[in-house]
Amino acid sequence: QKEVEQNSGPLSVPEGAIASLNCTYSDRVSQSFFWYRQYSGKSPELIMSIYSNGDKEDGRFTAQLNKASQYVSLLIRDSQPSDSATYLCAVRGRDDKIIFGKGTRLHILP
Amino acid sequence: NAGVTQTPKFQVLKTGQSMTLQCAQDMNHNSMYWYRQDPGMGLRLIYYSASEGTTDKGEVPNGYNVSRLNKREFSLRLESAAPSQTSVYFCASRQGWGQPQHFGDGTRLSIL
Repeated sequence: QKEVEQNSGPLSVPEGAIASLNCTYSDRVSQSFFWYRQYSGKSPELIMSIYSNGDKEDGRFTAQLNKASQYVSLLIRDSQPSDSATYLCAVRGRDDKIIFGKGTRLHILP
Repeated sequence: NAGVTQTPKFQVLKTGQSMTLQCAQDMNHNSMYWYRQDPGMGLRLIYYSASEGTTDKGEVPNGYNVSRLNKREFSLRLESAAPSQTSVYFCASRQGWGQPQHFGDGTRLSIL
């Protein structure tokens, strides 16, 4: 079983709509969860951190965490063409080890 | 504030050559990491240093060595480069327990 799983995409979303990106993880003791955005040819950039169950909002981004279901998601409201990128989910598990998913490619359609 | 700085940004090597990738961070972070990223493979951890004076193997350490020179600097060395090591290499750092990693801009390495 893969430790952090994401749908590779591409996920195509019309401009102005809500993009929903999902991530599941296998280690039940995971405590910290991160979303990174990576533009083509660039390095990963941290956009959200979430540590407790529920929602965390930052501008157009909302991270959602459900530890019982071992599920974390990222919602992007009012999607813009500049949101087109690969989104990486990262999970901190036992021994403070951070595991990255392979990422979901998001394409915002103008 | 520069964050995490990697040098060089691009490099082409011949099989068998050696080189060292440099990484420095100015955020006073305790932990530093080296990853490689290949198409379809995601980020794979090569080596990491949880604190100054310590280094540990990650998922794909074979063919690499590292040195944590001081708290700021963490270098990655390829002793005898192979075409399979053609990749984009990222250095990252983080403050400590539970904190996220911050990445450098990467080094694009091609081995012919």
